[in-house]
Amino acid sequence: GEDVEQSLFLSVREGDSSVINCTYTDSSSTYLYWYKQEPGAGLQLLTYIFSNMDMKQDQRLTVLLNKKDKHLSLRIADTQTGDSAIYFCAESGGYQKVTFGTGTKLQVIP
Amino acid sequence: EAGVAQSPRYKIIEKRQSVAFWCNPISGHATLYWYQQILGQGPKLLIQFQNNGVVDDSQLPKDRFSAERLKGVDSTLKIQPAKLEDSAVYLCASSSRGQGEETQYFGPGTRLLVL
Repeated sequence: GEDVEQSLFLSVREGDSSVINCTYTDSSSTYLYWYKQEPGAGLQLLTYIFSNMDMKQDQRLTVLLNKKDKHLSLRIADTQTGDSAIYFCAESGGYQKVTFGTGTKLQVIP
Repeated sequence: EAGVAQSPRYKIIEKRQSVAFWCNPISGHATLYWYQQILGQGPKLLIQFQNNGVVDDSQLPKDRFSAERLKGVDSTLKIQPAKLEDSAVYLCASSSRGQGEETQYFGPGTRLLVL
């Protein structure tokens, strides 16, 4: 079945860039997503990328997709303390059966 | 626009008891999802409804879990009887048509502890 893997933890200083990485196994993935989860809250979709794209930029967020290596990354520029949360990578084959990774906890140090 | 509503927010029960969770999706959203999120893991899809029909329930433990969306609006998820390993956050989400590029909007979740 589909598998999505992420590193568990990332610590950065406020103002630096954060890069969160993700690998997936399903070669038929059509959409790849990044979700943010703050403590005690549900998931919030940050951005998604269609599989025929290799980059998408949205304000401070940059998503890079290497489809050959099945590698996805999320770069957060000028990381702020409010960015501290768990970030989930997820993939979907198109009809929205979404498979989530285990999440990367981002800690931003003031 | 109101978001996805879930209740209760917290529930503590003993093993072998029954429990039910309720979800009201965003008005007009045809697709509704129930996810189980165990501590330290990503959400796992339990069941997906399109209106009042089931699209995918392949990961729902059907011997103890059941879900319904009778009128195609709100939904209930039931566990009977509960086991210790059912302790998790149960997230409900909805989307407009269930197409890949759409945003799934998540509720705050129900945190279940089975003792």
